[in-house]
Amino acid sequence: GQNIDQPTEMTATEGAIVQINCTYQTSGFNGLFWYQQHAGEAPTFLSYNVLDGLEEKGRFSSFLSRSKGYSYLLLKELQMKDSASYLCVPMDSNYQLIWGAGTKLIIKP
Amino acid sequence: NAGVTQTPKFRVLKTGQSMTLLCAQDMNHEYMYWYRQDPGMGLRLIHYSVGEGTTAKGEVPDGYNVSRLKKQNFLLGLESAAPSQTSVYFCASSYLGQGSGNTIYFGEGSWLTVV
Repeated sequence: GQNIDQPTEMTATEGAIVQINCTYQTSGFNGLFWYQQHAGEAPTFLSYNVLDGLEEKGRFSSFLSRSKGYSYLLLKELQMKDSASYLCVPMDSNYQLIWGAGTKLIIKP
Repeated sequence: NAGVTQTPKFRVLKTGQSMTLLCAQDMNHEYMYWYRQDPGMGLRLIHYSVGEGTTAKGEVPDGYNVSRLKKQNFLLGLESAAPSQTSVYFCASSYLGQGSGNTIYFGEGSWLTVV
């Protein structure tokens, strides 16, 4: 079957760094997305990785290891507005996105 | 830039009533999707379309029908609403085949309550 494993909830302090890990199993692989979803809102795109390695985009970085079925999202200089759910979304060989419940990140002052 | 727009944003239905959710995108995307999201759960794909005039079933299609008569529009119908269909519905679109262009763009969501 296809599945995604992320922590249900994480807590971090404003100004700190947090890493959200994700392991996945899919039928084939065509890349992996990270989305941010604030409560009551639609998901918004953060990053897309299709090759192994680190992609950096401002305060956010995403890493992929295809052989390990592993990805992480790194958030630096955390701000209160970063409180949201973070969704690790792999895409299978049929270009179907596999959505999990994500990780709820709580930022404390 | 409108992106993906869906209407209505909120609706309360009685059990057995029918309704249609409308979705429009102005990005010339080939793919369009309807998802539902229940509290504390991930998005679940209801139906999707890979182009004008085509539709396909997703993970949870029962109780829903869709149509894609025009490339920019994707309609989701509930023929006989049930309380189990109380959810937040998201329409989305994407243009595949261009690396990060595979990004899915979402509408703002439609909150549907069936009583």
